[in-house]
Amino acid sequence: ETGVTQTPRHLVMGMTNKKSLKCEQHLGHNAMYWYKQSAKKPLELMFVYSLEERVENNSVPSRFSPECPNSSHLFLHLHTLQPEDSALYLCASSPSSGTTYEQFFGPGTRLTVL
Amino acid sequence: GEDVEQSLFLSVREGDSSVINCTYTDSSSTYLYWYKQEPGAGLQLLTYIFSNMDMKQDQRLTVLLNKKDKHLSLRIADTQTGDSAIYFCAESISSYKLIFGSGTRLLVRP
Repeated sequence: ETGVTQTPRHLVMGMTNKKSLKCEQHLGHNAMYWYKQSAKKPLELMFVYSLEERVENNSVPSRFSPECPNSSHLFLHLHTLQPEDSALYLCASSPSSGTTYEQFFGPGTRLTVL
Repeated sequence: GEDVEQSLFLSVREGDSSVINCTYTDSSSTYLYWYKQEPGAGLQLLTYIFSNMDMKQDQRLTVLLNKKDKHLSLRIADTQTGDSAIYFCAESISSYKLIFGSGTRLLVRP
């Protein structure tokens, strides 16, 4: 595997379910990100981890819970979601310092909340 | 506040040039980027420009930066049907934070 991978690619869940999204990067980067992409809206940065420490948390509802066990893996735990949480969830990674700050994205998980 | 704006849609004929425009508000941005998103895929970095440059050329892509007007453009020469996608402009406001525009959907007509 190369680059940034995300699983599952598609997820349908009810409002009472608990599920997790997984992201893995094979680029040797130190920073990882979760974004939410909704139709006709700019990408919304949700969480940033650098060297497994959370460095940014953009007022995201507590029904989204991130976890970064090591610099290659990032999870987004979901529980009691709402239909308006349906979106494409994108993971990204970047080197954490001395770079052009470019971020490399995974293919995303298309989430539908019923 | 921080804001990046783009027009929503552009349609061009195959073989013509495409120009996608973007305006941003944060004058302290170090880098500005263009990303491409094809259906069902994540964002792919196309190119970036350092804020002290006016122009960058990379094969069919030309990026122009007018820092005074906070205006960025992406020109795609000899546009092909495979260039049909959504193009996002983004500015870096810190080492961890990129602000993205809403994206411009490019449609290339045969």
